[in-house]
Amino acid sequence: DTGVSQDPRHKITKRGQNVTFRCDPISEHNRLYWYRQTLGQGPEFLTYFQNEAQLEKSRLLSDRFSAERPKGSFSTLEIQRTEQGDSAMYLCASSFNQPTNEQFFGPGTRLTVL
Amino acid sequence: GENVEQHPSTLSVQEGDSAVIKCTYSDSASNYFPWYKQELGKGPQLIIDIRSNVGEKKDQRIAVTLNKTAKHFSLHITETQPEDSAVYFCAAGGARAAGNKLTFGGGTRVLVKP
Repeated sequence: DTGVSQDPRHKITKRGQNVTFRCDPISEHNRLYWYRQTLGQGPEFLTYFQNEAQLEKSRLLSDRFSAERPKGSFSTLEIQRTEQGDSAMYLCASSFNQPTNEQFFGPGTRLTVL
Repeated sequence: GENVEQHPSTLSVQEGDSAVIKCTYSDSASNYFPWYKQELGKGPQLIIDIRSNVGEKKDQRIAVTLNKTAKHFSLHITETQPEDSAVYFCAAGGARAAGNKLTFGGGTRVLVKP
């Protein structure tokens, strides 16, 4: 257990529905990252926050995706109008605010879109 | 952007033998190279990392080497044990990547046969 928690661990939804995932980082970490991992692949960067500011978003993050970190603590990732291609493991990681500090990952939320 | 290639994609070794996984990266500005171990249904677990001012780093049965000139780095596991069976990912991050987002390789599935 790295200290990063994610909820829910599994989510099954029907195409077109909205879903929201939550990540609670290690408490003293001020950077928080979202990655997506499809079966048999490595994680791909989606977005990251430093405190409450969202500083970078990947081209993978279409306008159906939105992420927030309102108080610089936990973060939410929402997917609107889900598509079957959104099925993946959504991973959250956190780190200190230094250029090469270690990122610690949570257990992930596995999304299945039917 | 950064591109990380990882080989082999699968590796089967006899318990007690060594395992070697190799990665190459494309962005010469990358200066941080972590390795993660991922077990089924879990998030990636950081097992060792190396920074560009170091050529080699060891932690018990695990070692990493980095060749910045050739832009490749490797993971060496000695005296393998069945519990080393997992998927291993290399990654690269660094100065040009805001927030030190990581770019991952495609993973190596390691099977240690008793």
